[in-house]
Amino acid sequence: KAGVTQTPRYLIKTRGQQVTLSCSPISGHRSVSWYQQTPGQGLQFLFEYFSETQRNKGNFPGRFSGRQFSNSRSEMNVSTLELGDSALYLCASSSRTSGSSTDTQYFGPGTRLTVL
Amino acid sequence: AQSVTQLGSHVSVSEGALVLLRCNYSSSVPPYLFWYVQYPNQGLQLLLKYTTGATLVKGINGFEAEFKKSETSFHLTKPSAHMSDAAEYFCAVSRSGNTPLVFGKGTRLSVIA
Repeated sequence: KAGVTQTPRYLIKTRGQQVTLSCSPISGHRSVSWYQQTPGQGLQFLFEYFSETQRNKGNFPGRFSGRQFSNSRSEMNVSTLELGDSALYLCASSSRTSGSSTDTQYFGPGTRLTVL
Repeated sequence: AQSVTQLGSHVSVSEGALVLLRCNYSSSVPPYLFWYVQYPNQGLQLLLKYTTGATLVKGINGFEAEFKKSETSFHLTKPSAHMSDAAEYFCAVSRSGNTPLVFGKGTRLSVIA
């Protein structure tokens, strides 16, 4: 089975721009979660989508948004980029067939975003 | 609110020595607990998880962890370190089936030859 894929792997943007990151989950997985990883704050949860519906949301400003498509692929968008948005953005998928977090989350390699 | 504390941002051990990475959690309800490993330029890989049942959990690559409710701990151990174990390790907690993972700050493990 192919793993979680994220595109692009690296991205450089300037302040004020917007960016869209993409995540393709493992085939059959319906849950996709996004995390931001920075040296200072560590790993922080952004949001989770399950069957095209946002099920959980972390404590991030409205500039961060996401969506999930009918094929479970997910995108996250960051508008009006700030220097502090520079981070590794990780996507994770799980089956969540029973709605249980005992279902393992499988992480992609991440997208490294640099904001200049 | 849940939280995770990993004691020691950096741990260094000799090859063949015991690996002990510490994790303490706070949770108002019995938690689900996880250890993940991250190699450079890669995503996170699950090492092991505790949900219910046996408190000693065995994972991949020879790692294991013991859930101690009285100490609110879930320390990760491996009897003999290998050079390939050098990576960053994250402890995480989840309160229930529909809540997201809360991660600790991570511990970077170095293995010295």
